[in-house]
Amino acid sequence: ETGVTQTPRHLVMGMTNKKSLKCEQHLGHNAMYWYKQSAKKPLELMFVYSLEERVENNSVPSRFSPECPNSSHLFLHLHTLQPEDSALYLCASSWGPGNTEAFFGQGTRLTVV
Amino acid sequence: TQLLEQSPQFLSIQEGENLTVYCNSSSVFSSLQWYRQEPGEGPVLLVTVVTGGEVKKLKRLTFQFGDARKDSSLHITAAQPGDTGLYLCAGVTRKLVFGQGTRLTINP
Repeated sequence: ETGVTQTPRHLVMGMTNKKSLKCEQHLGHNAMYWYKQSAKKPLELMFVYSLEERVENNSVPSRFSPECPNSSHLFLHLHTLQPEDSALYLCASSWGPGNTEAFFGQGTRLTVV
Repeated sequence: TQLLEQSPQFLSIQEGENLTVYCNSSSVFSSLQWYRQEPGEGPVLLVTVVTGGEVKKLKRLTFQFGDARKDSSLHITAAQPGDTGLYLCAGVTRKLVFGQGTRLTINP
């Protein structure tokens, strides 16, 4: 039990679908992150939220839309994705948005067909 | 752009053997973290090394931070099947910069 829970664990969606990934942390952390993990590539940081404010957006296409309604919840809204967006999407949290230990969820395995 | 290169990318060895995984960069980091990720799970932090030249031991795992704080190594002694997984190094500056990982398989 890492204290960071992601749902769903697996998701298959068509290119015209709209879906959302959910992340919840029970650790009292102030920062939350979305990462993309593709085969043979380093973990790619997508978004960083600190105290519910987005503090970093690493040139992510607009078909990915994050939402952080409170410090415990983070969403990633998906629409009109491409097959190359298929990957493991990992949520993480930490005490602050900088150089501290990141606690990861189990990830959502996304397949775009 | 800060990059971390891990080598080897894949390693498959027999139980009981020793191995070393490397993490190299041209950038200086304030600290460096090592994570292990098992199939179907997210990465879990193993250790953080902070001081140049620092060596930390975690049972059969030995982590070393380079003197210049640009590189690190992970040495596993007498590897066991339970050590199988993806090992990720992450350099710490204003944020975490991850290497591409070393996928380690220990065969019984």
